[in-house]
Amino acid sequence: GAGVSQSPSNKVTEKGKDVELRCDPISGHTALYWYRQSLGQGLEFLIYFQGNSAPDKSGLPSDRFSAERTGGSVSTLTIQRTQQEDSAVYLCASSLGVGLQLETQYFGPGTRLLVL
Amino acid sequence: LAKTTQPISMDSYEGQEVNITCSHNNIATNDYITWYQQFPSQGPRFIIQGYKTKVTNEVASLFIPADRKSSTLSLPRVSLSDTAVYYCLVGEIGNFNKFYFGSGTKLNVKP
Repeated sequence: GAGVSQSPSNKVTEKGKDVELRCDPISGHTALYWYRQSLGQGLEFLIYFQGNSAPDKSGLPSDRFSAERTGGSVSTLTIQRTQQEDSAVYLCASSLGVGLQLETQYFGPGTRLLVL
Repeated sequence: LAKTTQPISMDSYEGQEVNITCSHNNIATNDYITWYQQFPSQGPRFIIQGYKTKVTNEVASLFIPADRKSSTLSLPRVSLSDTAVYYCLVGEIGNFNKFYFGSGTKLNVKP
C-alpha cells in the first residue's frame, strides 16, 4: 500500500510569509507525528496526534507553529511569519496507534523548507 | 523520559560486522528500545525493536542486557549501502507524547 506522503516536497518562501505543510498518513494509522530536522542534525520532535487530538503541544518551537489533523487522517503543519531559522526538513510519520507493538513509525520523504 | 547517548560516528569496511551501542541509563519499566536508519534526503526507517535479551530479524540483531541501561545494534556483514545514520529511540508504551531521536550515529562503510 501507499506510504506516508508529504507535500510540497520543497518550499521556498520569503521571511515573514506563512507556509502550510501537508501530511497524508498511511491509511488506518491513527497516530501521526511531526518532526523537524535541520541540516546535519538529528530529529527534533514537534507534535503528535492520536486521532485528531494532540495531547501535548509543548514541542512546537514557538507560537508561530500550529498543527491540526482532521478526520483522523490528513494533518497540516502551519508556520506563520516564517523566519530564516525555520529552514529545515519537516518530516511526518504515522503509526498504527499507541500501545504495545503498534508504535513503529513510518516516515514520509519530508518537506524541505527554505526561508529566504 | 529516557535520554539516549550514542557515538557520533563510526567507520567500518564492507563485510565486517558493526555494533553500535546506545546508552539509556534512565530507561523506565514500560520503555521499549527501537532503532531507525536514515539515508540522506530520506525519512528514517524502522530497523528493529526490543524490550530485553536479544531480538533478531532479517537485517539486524538487537542485544539488550538484563539491566536494560544500554542496547547494541548489530549489523552483520555491512555493505556500502548500509552507510547511514542510525538512531536509538527509547519510548514509553502508551505515552508517546514526546519522542527523542537524538543525534544518531553516522556509520560510514568503506570499500
